Amino acid sequence: AQSVTQPDIHITVSEGASLELRCNYSYGATPYLFWYVQSPGQGLQLLLKYFSGDTLVQGIKGFEAEFKRSQSSFNLRKPSVHWSDAAEYFCAGLTGGGNKLTFGTGTQLKVEL
Amino acid sequence: DTGVSQDPRHKITKRGQNVTFRCDPISEHNRLYWYRQTLGQGPEFLTYFQNEAQLEKSRLLSDRFSAERPKGSFSTLEIQRTEQGDSAMYLCASSFAGGTEAFFGQGTRLTVV
Repeated sequence: AQSVTQPDIHITVSEGASLELRCNYSYGATPYLFWYVQSPGQGLQLLLKYFSGDTLVQGIKGFEAEFKRSQSSFNLRKPSVHWSDAAEYFCAGLTGGGNKLTFGTGTQLKVEL
Repeated sequence: DTGVSQDPRHKITKRGQNVTFRCDPISEHNRLYWYRQTLGQGPEFLTYFQNEAQLEKSRLLSDRFSAERPKGSFSTLEIQRTEQGDSAMYLCASSFAGGTEAFFGQGTRLTVV
């Protein structure tokens, strides 16, 4: 079955430190992959997406992600975290017809000042 | 157009009562999706519409759940005889048919007591 896995439930980083959130996928063909961010009580905001081509994709708010087929990974990175980045982050992939999204279980990011 | 809107934002209901949620998608979008998100989990697909046609329903959508999109614009999700296990955030998203980017509303948080 097509799936995405986020191995880290919680991550804490200091403000100004670098960040990497892990995502692994299990898809037969080249997947369409996404990273979303969710602030408390809010909906989901798209950070970035990968379909094909350049494996390093840039997103909003200074985030980037790198698609690595050999590792079945699509990790999210940010060089310097701001306190406002504290939120829950979801990796997702497109599944089947109708463009349904399959989400990972999320990684809760805490930023220490 | 300010994006996808959902109403109400919060709903508390007693077990056994019926509830109905509304979603207004981005006006140009012909696809509309419903997802459910329980605590500590990523959103899970429930159903989607293309225009007024409901094209797919997840096995998560028991016969107590019904969704409509009567004129291909707004959609409603009704839950009959609510159970405590129905407590969750219900998210609506919309997109263009064939589009790969879905835009999410802020969700309706349902609490069944």
